[in-house]
Amino acid sequence: EVQLVESGGGLVQPGGSLRLSCAASGFTFSSSAMNWVRQAPGKGLEWVSGISSGGSNTNYADSVKGRFTISRDKSKNTLYLQMNNLRAEDTAIYYCASSGRGYYYMDVWGKGTTVTVSS
Amino acid sequence: DIQMTQSPSTLSASVGDRVSVTCRASQSISSWLAWYQQKPGKSPKLLIYQASSLESGVPSRFSGSGSGTEFTLTISSLQPEDFATYYCQQYKSFALTFGGGTKVEIK
Repeated sequence: EVQLVESGGGLVQPGGSLRLSCAASGFTFSSSAMNWVRQAPGKGLEWVSGISSGGSNTNYADSVKGRFTISRDKSKNTLYLQMNNLRAEDTAIYYCASSGRGYYYMDVWGKGTTVTVSS
Repeated sequence: DIQMTQSPSTLSASVGDRVSVTCRASQSISSWLAWYQQKPGKSPKLLIYQASSLESGVPSRFSGSGSGTEFTLTISSLQPEDFATYYCQQYKSFALTFGGGTKVEIK
């Protein structure tokens, strides 16, 4: 079964850091580009970051550039999102999503992990 | 960044109705467009990619059309399980962008 399972969310104070993880199974992780997409409470979807299948190319939304870092570990079939200098507006459900067919639409999604930034 | 604008933001319809959702891009994206369905408390699900290609396992009552800057998602006969929020997404260029969503409600 193709599966993406996110973890690492939680409550953090403004200015703090968190690292999200996404464990992939049931497909060839090393052949898939990967993304993080977030959804603030009651709001729509916002793409956060993407990484190529080999890990050499990364892209970020302007809202997180310089604060978030995406990475992947092919030996662990895991995607990461390091989030630093967190702000209240980063509060959201963070979804991991694969783009496994050579184009950046999201064919498989995880269930998400919740990040709350509050003092 | 390419801006994606969906209309309407909310759509009220009955079971059996034919419904359409429009997505407009701020510049041409050729056919680099996907549609997703999201139900409350669930993660999004891919319905359509490349503007008109139906994802495997998605019922044939869903269809997509358009190219350039204007796109349409059509549900030919609305079923109870189709009441949800629908999003378009362009993947012509980074930053990837989503439309604001269209909530399809029961009339």
